[in-house]
Amino acid sequence: QVQLVESGGGVVQRGGSLRLSCTTSGFTLSNSGMHWVRQGPGKGLEWVAFLRNDGSHKCYADSVQGRFTLSRDISKNTLYLQMDSLRDEDTAMYYCAKDTLDALDIWGQGTKVTVSS
Amino acid sequence: QSALTQPASLSGSPTQSITISCTGTSSDVGGYDYVSWYQHHPGKVPKLIIFDVTKRPSGVSNRFSGSKSGNTASLTISGLQAEDEADYYCCSYRRSNTWVFGGGTKVTVL
Repeated sequence: QVQLVESGGGVVQRGGSLRLSCTTSGFTLSNSGMHWVRQGPGKGLEWVAFLRNDGSHKCYADSVQGRFTLSRDISKNTLYLQMDSLRDEDTAMYYCAKDTLDALDIWGQGTKVTVSS
Repeated sequence: QSALTQPASLSGSPTQSITISCTGTSSDVGGYDYVSWYQHHPGKVPKLIIFDVTKRPSGVSNRFSGSKSGNTASLTISGLQAEDEADYYCCSYRRSNTWVFGGGTKVTVL
């Protein structure tokens, strides 16, 4: 059974850093592209970042480019999102999602990030 | 990266049909057949209901259908049921391995 579990969220000060983890099971991480998507309070879904299955190609939304960094550890079946220089507008629920045929077919439960001043 | 345009809200009575539009540009919706739709009940995890414009994942009701014309994609929910009350989001691939979501449509079953 395919499963994604996010962790690492919490409260962080403006300008601070946080690393989110997405632990996967039931499929081979090296064979799948993976996304991060977020939803701010009272807002809609926003695509954040994508890591292609070969691990070489990483893409980011303009709103996080240069501040967020994707990585993964195949041996731990885990995807990471390093978030630096956090801003108030980064406050959101963060979801990781598995890519299949350019759609996000399996989602985790999400981890909440709050940026405080 | 501007979001795709969806109506903020739509409503319908049980058994009626409603159609949610999703307007983008030739750089996303109009340029690729990689439009997907997600149903999101507040407090729960988003669920994929349509991919590749028209395809339904296994287990998704055939009351949900997708289409596209030019830069606008559409999701039709036929035979509205109480459990269809949720937020719906379109999403499109937009060149160079980036994606964009619509602003979301809140569907109310009267």
